[in-house]
Amino acid sequence: QSVLTQPPSVSGAPGQRVTISCTGSSSNIGAGYDVHWYQQLPGTAPKLLISDNSNRPSGVPDRFSGSKSGTSASLAISGLQAEDEADYYCQSYDSSLSGVFGGGTKLTVL
Amino acid sequence: QLQLRESGPGLVKPSETLSLTCTVSGGTISGSNYFWGWIRQPPGKGLEWIGSIYHSGITYITYYNPSLKSRITISVDTSKNQFSLHLKSVTAADTAVYFCARQNPCTSCYFNYWGQGTLVTVSS
Repeated sequence: QSVLTQPPSVSGAPGQRVTISCTGSSSNIGAGYDVHWYQQLPGTAPKLLISDNSNRPSGVPDRFSGSKSGTSASLAISGLQAEDEADYYCQSYDSSLSGVFGGGTKLTVL
Repeated sequence: QLQLRESGPGLVKPSETLSLTCTVSGGTISGSNYFWGWIRQPPGKGLEWIGSIYHSGITYITYYNPSLKSRITISVDTSKNQFSLHLKSVTAADTAVYFCARQNPCTSCYFNYWGQGTLVTVSS
């Protein structure tokens, strides 16, 4: 059971927009800690996709965007492409003195 | 370009100690403000932060996942530009791909450089 809750799976057709939620609590996201997002392709290490709630590292397409409000955060992917099919994880920090990850969301491009 | 690479045994017996090393190239651990961390991923499951180490300007400071704290030690060998993970009293539940990563300098910061990961299986 992850401290940060993500939907196990989402799907969308090419060109569509999908969002992935990351729900925390007052001891992590709601306490003001930043949320970061990672993309993990099969058999590879996670890749930083969004840092500090909404910042895109160099090289990340602007189809990817992040937001945070209250005790939740969201990752949006617009103009869905086949290559976006991957697992996505949110990450934050908890007042229990621990880094925390969401359980992960598998994105399927139909 | 910074690179990290994990190394260590791929098979560990139950109750023994899992020991992994992360070798950093293209940058130095000592003298940097960055945190250096370990994350693991059981087969078919999600990511779990294990712990991180950083230099406070005076000494190295570690902070660990509370659920693993009693069994973990993370240390740095500046002469080899490496940091290590030791996890004692392992069980099958510790079977996972173990990643080392560089974390921006704060406890809630992101990991922007990752090793490729190494699978460690706990089995007799």
